Amino acid sequence: EAQVTQNPRYLITVTGKKLTVTCSQNMNHEYMSWYRQDPGLGLRQIYYSMNVEVTDKGDVPEGYKVSRKEKRNFPLILESPSPNQTSLYFCASSLSIKSKAFFGQGTRLTVV
Amino acid sequence: AQSVAQPEDQVNVAEGNPLTVKCTYSVSGNPYLFWYVQYPNRGLQFLLKYITGDNLVKGSYGFEAEFNKSQTSFHLKKPSALVSDSALYFCAVRDVSGNTGKLIFGQGTTLQVKP
Repeated sequence: EAQVTQNPRYLITVTGKKLTVTCSQNMNHEYMSWYRQDPGLGLRQIYYSMNVEVTDKGDVPEGYKVSRKEKRNFPLILESPSPNQTSLYFCASSLSIKSKAFFGQGTRLTVV
Repeated sequence: AQSVAQPEDQVNVAEGNPLTVKCTYSVSGNPYLFWYVQYPNRGLQFLLKYITGDNLVKGSYGFEAEFNKSQTSFHLKKPSALVSDSALYFCAVRDVSGNTGKLIFGQGTTLQVKP
């Protein structure tokens, strides 16, 4: 089954404790991205990747890092999480920048 | 700057009645438009897209959308609503002009279908 898998689904952590949210897709998609969803703001792009070893900032990249060492994986790294990063995070992939996006189930992160 | 607006936070409709969820956009160049639906505790699911061609686009679960270039709108419609259609709906446009591929989302519209 074609899918985007994120882990964990839920995470509560403390300020400053590094964490990684994993994302993996099994569709051989080149384009992957991370979004955060906040009430009243819709979804905003954090980072995106056009292909392996090619990543770039989206609209709200501060406080986040990503890597794309393999085509299927695109982890989101929070080196020093802060409470304003409490949000619902989605990973997405698509065949190209013009194609429909497939979304993961989401990761609800709470930073206390 | 490219943007998407969904003017209604919530739309209420009775089961069996037609529904419309509104979306307007502002882009430079040709728009690549999408509708997604989000059920509670789930990711976003693709409903339909407009790239080119017929202005009336048919999608999943009986939904359709009408692209109107002069009004820069892409409203989502369904002839007969079901209670199970109750969810959060997002309109989005792909940023292809800047080559980022970013999906620019509206704020979302909650659809409530009452029995």
